[in-house]
Amino acid sequence: AQSVAQPEDQVNVAEGNPLTVKCTYSVSGNPYLFWYVQYPNRGLQFLLKYITGDNLVKGSYGFEAEFNKSQTSFHLKKPSALVSDSALYFCAVRESNTGFQKLVFGTGTRLLVSP
Amino acid sequence: DAEITQSPRHKITETGRQVTLACHQTWNHNNMFWYRQDLGHGLRLIHYSYGVQDTNKGEVSDGYSVSRSNTEDLPLTLESAASSQTSVYFCASRGQGSEAFFGQGTRLTVV
Repeated sequence: AQSVAQPEDQVNVAEGNPLTVKCTYSVSGNPYLFWYVQYPNRGLQFLLKYITGDNLVKGSYGFEAEFNKSQTSFHLKKPSALVSDSALYFCAVRESNTGFQKLVFGTGTRLLVSP
Repeated sequence: DAEITQSPRHKITETGRQVTLACHQTWNHNNMFWYRQDLGHGLRLIHYSYGVQDTNKGEVSDGYSVSRSNTEDLPLTLESAASSQTSVYFCASRGQGSEAFFGQGTRLTVV
């Protein structure tokens, strides 16, 4: 069965510093990987995805993520954090080579960027 | 612009009542999903549908039902609301692309 782990409940970083939000996954086939962001009292917004191709994926708001097949990881990164990046971040995975469309989410990581 | 909307945004109901949460999307997506979000659990899949007249159970489907009579709507019904169903509920849809699009959520409180 598919699963996603986000080992950190919260990540704290100072504005201007680089940030990393960690995600590891488990699937039996090839993965489709996603990052979503949730601001307070809002739905989830799509940030970026990995389907195939380059291991470094660029997304919205200056975020990027690196797919590492050997480590089964898909960490979210940003070179310079903004206070406005403070939100809840979810990693999700779906198997690509089956007809099953289910998206499985991690438990979320709260990012807090201090001024 | 196409969108996905949920209603109501907030709902308070009593234990044992039947409650229906609405989800409407204008993308003409075939795939629609209902998730609940709880602290420490992230998002868990309740039910999903791949098209009209198709419905499937997710990992936490007990006490919930859905119906899909058209492409645009996937209402979620709590047959007899329980306090354990107090949560934030999110509807999502996905078309041919890989990513899903989420509604704004419905905060349900069962008292």
